[in-house]
Amino acid sequence: DVKVTQSSRYLVKRTGEKVFLECVQDMDHENMFWYRQDPGLGLRLIYFSYDVKMKEKGDIPEGYSVSREKKERFSLILESASTNQTSMYLCASSFGGSIRDEQFFGPGTRLTVL
Amino acid sequence: AQTVTQSQPEMSVQEAETVTLSCTYDTSENNYYLFWYKQPPSRQMILVIRQEAYKQQNATENRFSVNFQKAAKSFSLKISDSQLGDTAMYFCASRGGAQKLVFGQGTRLTINP
Repeated sequence: DVKVTQSSRYLVKRTGEKVFLECVQDMDHENMFWYRQDPGLGLRLIYFSYDVKMKEKGDIPEGYSVSREKKERFSLILESASTNQTSMYLCASSFGGSIRDEQFFGPGTRLTVL
Repeated sequence: AQTVTQSQPEMSVQEAETVTLSCTYDTSENNYYLFWYKQPPSRQMILVIRQEAYKQQNATENRFSVNFQKAAKSFSLKISDSQLGDTAMYFCASRGGAQKLVFGQGTRLTINP
């Protein structure tokens, strides 16, 4: 079974802090994704990566950056957390370049910024 | 640009009933896939079913089936003989030429005993 893990289930940070969210997948997937999930808005794509050291902006990249130094690990960074970044963050991975490919999701990190 | 709309924020049915979740989409792609994902309470999101736009036959996975109306850009999910374990958030999503998966707003489905 594909396993996607995220470093924390719950996280509480203060405004202005630098926040790291880590995601690891164990199935040698090429693609990795970061989404935020908000009630009534569904999932919105923040950043994604097709390969190591490759990254592309999604629909809402402002205030976020990412790092992919190893194939299995994709990190989301909030350079200076703000209260409007309080949300559920979901990481996902998929095998390759087919539009048919299923995305496998992690359990999510619920981040609260005070 | 692709858009996906789920107009039912919440639904509730009795166990063993059949329920249909609605989804409409818009895309300029010629080939695309449509998906339904399920997010149970406090558990990871999983794929329920997918449909290729070129296929006329509706996809079926056990108790889950879709009604794909390409001209109407409609992609509804039918759950037959609903079970308590079907209680979850359900997201409709589409993917076209790019790798991006575009999600709808979600429908919270509750199955009552």
